[in-house]
Amino acid sequence: EAQVTQNPRYLITVTGKKLTVTCSQNMNHEYMSWYRQDPGLGLRQIYYSMNVEVTDKGDVPEGYKVSRKEKRNFPLILESPSPNQTSLYFCASSLSGGGPAYNEQFFGPGTRLTVL
Amino acid sequence: QKEVEQNSGPLSVPEGAIASLNCTYSDRGSQSFFWYRQYSGKSPELIMSIYSNGDKEDGRFTAQLNKASQYVSLLIRDSQPSDSATYLCAALDNYGQNFVFGPGTRLSVLP
Repeated sequence: EAQVTQNPRYLITVTGKKLTVTCSQNMNHEYMSWYRQDPGLGLRQIYYSMNVEVTDKGDVPEGYKVSRKEKRNFPLILESPSPNQTSLYFCASSLSGGGPAYNEQFFGPGTRLTVL
Repeated sequence: QKEVEQNSGPLSVPEGAIASLNCTYSDRGSQSFFWYRQYSGKSPELIMSIYSNGDKEDGRFTAQLNKASQYVSLLIRDSQPSDSATYLCAALDNYGQNFVFGPGTRLSVLP
């Protein structure tokens, strides 16, 4: 089954304790992206990756890191989480390149993060 | 700052009616636009994409794009209670890299 998976789905942690949220896709997609979703603010792009070893900042990258060592994986790293990073996080992927249809993103199930 | 704006709603329509959802975007360089549906607590799922001026129809859904007015809309015909969800509009920049989402419009279809 074609899908984007995220782990963990739920996480409660404390300020300053490093954490990683994993994202994996099995569709051979080149483009992957991380979003956070907050009430009233909608989805905001954190980082994206056009391909292996190619990453770039989205609209809200502060406090986050990413890496893209393999095509299928795109982990999100919070090295020193703070309470304002409490949010619902989504990973997404798409084929990229070619026509616009290649940019249709598929989303993972989401990770609800609480930082105390 | 690139922005996508939507009326947050809620938009309430009776079952069987046409629901009309609107979206405007600020970046004239945006070339591709997407409508996603999101049920409470779930991830967004793609309904339609559109990149040419005019209408694009898929079943009960019609997306409309007017690049001159920087306006995108989604019409849902014969609305069903199962269509009750938040609808997200998104714009993709000219480089195919940066997605900007609107805050979403909450639709409620009343039986």
